[in-house]
Amino acid sequence: GAVVSQHPSRVICKSGTSVKIECRSLDFQATTMFWYRQFPKQSLMLMATSNEGSKATYEQGVEKDKFLINHASLTLSTLTVTSAHPEDSSFYICSTSPGSLQETQYFGPGTRLLVL
Amino acid sequence: QKEVEQNSGPLSVPEGAIASLNCTYSDRGSQSFFWYRQYSGKSPELIMFIYSNGDKEDGRFTAQLNKASQYVSLLIRDSQPSDSATYLCAVNALRISSGSARQLTFGSGTQLTVLP
Repeated sequence: GAVVSQHPSRVICKSGTSVKIECRSLDFQATTMFWYRQFPKQSLMLMATSNEGSKATYEQGVEKDKFLINHASLTLSTLTVTSAHPEDSSFYICSTSPGSLQETQYFGPGTRLLVL
Repeated sequence: QKEVEQNSGPLSVPEGAIASLNCTYSDRGSQSFFWYRQYSGKSPELIMFIYSNGDKEDGRFTAQLNKASQYVSLLIRDSQPSDSATYLCAVNALRISSGSARQLTFGSGTQLTVLP
């Protein structure tokens, strides 16, 4: 399978600060990357679809001004949680897909965010 | 009605037995089906994908697809304690993201425990 990395793997921050999470596709160019959030004991929730060179598409109920996504290159997408609050504490996972004819998504290892 | 439904479990099987995981989906136009395994605290990893009706085998895993009945299943033969995890069923979504890759809709997952 494809190799996807995320950084950092874990972050603890104070309420009100911003946190940037990086997602890198290491062995193929990813035109599209997906950002998910997962709360304990719950399933994956798609937050947004990140497209290289264009604006991200956000799912209903996800605030685009709070969760800033930048997909500046074919191998890197970043998610910034702005003015984080305790309710933003969650497991954030990115995924990438190799191309238009293959919908298989490969997930990064995830970033666990704890906002105090 | 949820788009992708799975029995949340927990499903317990003895070591060496066959574990059977089921998934139903609502969109008849779905074309691609995936099974992911997620260990506690980790991100999902791809086990198998299937596009055509019938069975697809890979080692101890067999995916079965029946588009007429709108269900997909995963069989795990000779279950091992290391197979204990949450198994996520994913189906390609009707909506096409603005990028080249299509979104997946995930079920809520089935928790499997293989007892030694």
